[in-house]
Amino acid sequence: LAKTTQPISMDSYEGQEVNITCSHNNIATNDYITWYQQFPSQGPRFIIQGYKTKVTNEVASLFIPADRKSSTLSLPRVSLSDTAVYYCLVGGYNTNAGKSTFGDGTTLTVKP
Amino acid sequence: GAVVSQHPSRVICKSGTSVKIECRSLDFQATTMFWYRQFPKQSLMLMATSNEGSKATYEQGVEKDKFLINHASLTLSTLTVTSAHPEDSSFYICSASQQYGYTFGSGTRLTVV
Repeated sequence: LAKTTQPISMDSYEGQEVNITCSHNNIATNDYITWYQQFPSQGPRFIIQGYKTKVTNEVASLFIPADRKSSTLSLPRVSLSDTAVYYCLVGGYNTNAGKSTFGDGTTLTVKP
Repeated sequence: GAVVSQHPSRVICKSGTSVKIECRSLDFQATTMFWYRQFPKQSLMLMATSNEGSKATYEQGVEKDKFLINHASLTLSTLTVTSAHPEDSSFYICSASQQYGYTFGSGTRLTVV
C-alpha cells in the first residue's frame, strides 16, 4: 500500500484558493488518487478522484504531475464551511477497491 | 449516488456489555466492506476487511474475538464490540468498496461507561 504524506494543517481566509499537496512516492501503476473531506463526527466524504493530469468537478480540481508521485487538491474560493480534515488515498481500483490506509490528513481552517 | 447507511449514530453502553453496529449499502451490492476506528484528533485506523460469505480479515493488533464482524449478505456488514470496556470508546466508521473507490457510512460514536 502506498504511503501518503500531507501537511498536518493549513490556514486560509474566506474567498481564497487553497492548494493541499499529497506525496505518494510509492504509487503503483494501477493506483488511483482520491481525496476525501471529513467533518467532526462524520464519515469521510468523496471530493474528487484522478489518475493523471488534471481533473475538475463542481467543487475542486486535482492536479497530478506526470510522475504521479504527488497530487494537489485545489479548492477555489473557500468558505468557512470548508473547514475540515482532508485526506488523500492511493489505491488500486479494478473491479472493487481493495483496502487502503489513511494518512494523517490535513486540517484546513478557514478564517473569516 | 451510492449510499452507505450506518446505525446507530451514537450509543452508550455499560462496561461488559456488547454492542452491534450495522453498515448497509442501500443502492448497490458490496462484496467487501471495511471497518475503521477513529480516536479524537486522529486519522482513521483500519480494523478489518469484511468479505461477504467469508471470514473477516483483521489488521495486526485488532482482536478478532473482541470485534466480531459478520457479512452475511451483499448489503449488510455488522461489527459487534463484545465485552466493551471504556477504552473501546471511539468513533467507528464503515465503508463499502466499489469500483474506483469507497463510500463511507456516517459513523457510530460508541461511549462505554
